[in-house]
Amino acid sequence: GAVVSQHPSWVICKSGTSVKIECRSLDFQATTMFWYRQFPKQSLMLMATSNEGSKATYEQGVEKDKFLINHASLTLSTLTVTSAHPEDSSFYICSATSTMNTEAFFGQGTRLTVV
Amino acid sequence: KQEVTQIPAALSVPEGENLVLNCSFTDSAIYNLQWFRQDPGKGLTSLLLIQSSQREQTSGRLNASLDKSSGRSTLYIAASQPGDSATYLCAVRPQGAQKLVFGQGTRLTINP
Repeated sequence: GAVVSQHPSWVICKSGTSVKIECRSLDFQATTMFWYRQFPKQSLMLMATSNEGSKATYEQGVEKDKFLINHASLTLSTLTVTSAHPEDSSFYICSATSTMNTEAFFGQGTRLTVV
Repeated sequence: KQEVTQIPAALSVPEGENLVLNCSFTDSAIYNLQWFRQDPGKGLTSLLLIQSSQREQTSGRLNASLDKSSGRSTLYIAASQPGDSATYLCAVRPQGAQKLVFGQGTRLTINP
C-alpha cells in the first residue's frame, strides 16, 4: 500500500508554545488529507479535512485558530497547534487519499505532551 | 447521519481459533468500507478495502465481506496468532463524502 509519513512521532512542549506536525505522502499525490485526534482507548475524532490548495474544513467544535492546517502541496500537509495547553495533549494522526485511489492511508501518529 | 457500530468491543480467544469481527452501519449509501488495524500507540494500517459494488475481499488469512443492503460487514481472521492482537477498526466512506466514519473498534487479544 501507499506510504504516509508523519513527523515527529512524539513531541513534548511547554505550555504557550506552538508545535508543528508534518504529514507527507511518499509515493502518491494526496489530493485530500485528514487530521484526527485520538483519546486513550477511543476511536478517531476527525478534526479537519484539507484539499490541496484550499482552506481546510474544520469539524464542529474544533478551533481553527488553534489548530492551523496547511496543505500547500500534493505531498505535504501540516498541523500547527498554537499556544498549546496541557489539555491539547493527545495522539494526532493524519490520513491521505487521492483522486486515483480512494483507499485511505494513515501516518504513524504523533504523541503530543504539553507540560 | 451515518453511524458505525462494532461488536464486540473486546474479544479474547486462544491462538489458532478462527474468529469474526462485526461492523454495522446505518446508511447503505456508501462509497466503500475499509478495515484497519491499530497497534497501541501507533497509526492505522489498512487491511482491506471493499468498494460498494464488491461483496468481499481477501488478503492472506483475512477475509472481509460486505452486505450493503443489510448494512453489515464482517472481518474473518483464520488461524489466529498472538501477533494478530490489536484494535480493529471499521470505517465507511459515505457516498458523496470525502471523510470516513469510524466505528469504536474491537480490541482483540490472542492468547498463546
